[in-house]
Amino acid sequence: DVVLTQTPSTLSATIGQSVSISCRSSQSLLDSAGNTYLYWYLQRPGQSPQLLIYLVSNLGSGVPNRFSGSGSGTDFTLKISGVEAEDLGVYYCMQATHAPYTFGAGTKLELK
Amino acid sequence: QVTLKESGPGILQPSQTLSLTCTFSGFSLSTYGMGVGWIRQPSGKGLEWLANIWWDDDKYYNPSLKNRLTISKDTSNNQAFLKITNVDTADTATYYCARIKAYVFDYWGQGVMVTVSS
Repeated sequence: DVVLTQTPSTLSATIGQSVSISCRSSQSLLDSAGNTYLYWYLQRPGQSPQLLIYLVSNLGSGVPNRFSGSGSGTDFTLKISGVEAEDLGVYYCMQATHAPYTFGAGTKLELK
Repeated sequence: QVTLKESGPGILQPSQTLSLTCTFSGFSLSTYGMGVGWIRQPSGKGLEWLANIWWDDDKYYNPSLKNRLTISKDTSNNQAFLKITNVDTADTATYYCARIKAYVFDYWGQGVMVTVSS
């Protein structure tokens, strides 16, 4: 199975600060058709995960543009440019290039 | 507007079969490229993908659960189902269903908590 390693596991930020989360894959997520099925989700406390980013760098519907995704192959990054209070929660990366689909262990974003 | 809602038994005993239903609206599982996936999350832990079913009735399962999973759908009633046989305490979790469009799990249900206990 593909292992996704997220760092850091916990992130403390102040409102307005820019932060980044890394997601590294144990194998390339680029498929033979040239697609990279890497996604980012935010799970707020007591809620279900919501899609932030799909296919590495595409913003989900209704997601603020302070969120951005980048990367290729095995290394991916989610950046939040100016954290807001509503951004607190656990961030997960997920891959769907290789079966079984797998998730990273999560990064908890807290207020400093 | 896309919505999904999971339902299940709440509590069941070890060795029983868990039956989950995902009732959705705002899309059709007969539409080309559409799918529904099931994901679970033990309390305080991470996410585990379980299975997908596609518009053409193609099905994919997480091999870690071996032959315990069965996914199905009722297109006319906008429902998808997941059965897990021979449950034990390790199957205690919140179970989510999600719409899959163009391989993106874009909308998730609120989740249903399932406890396996004797």
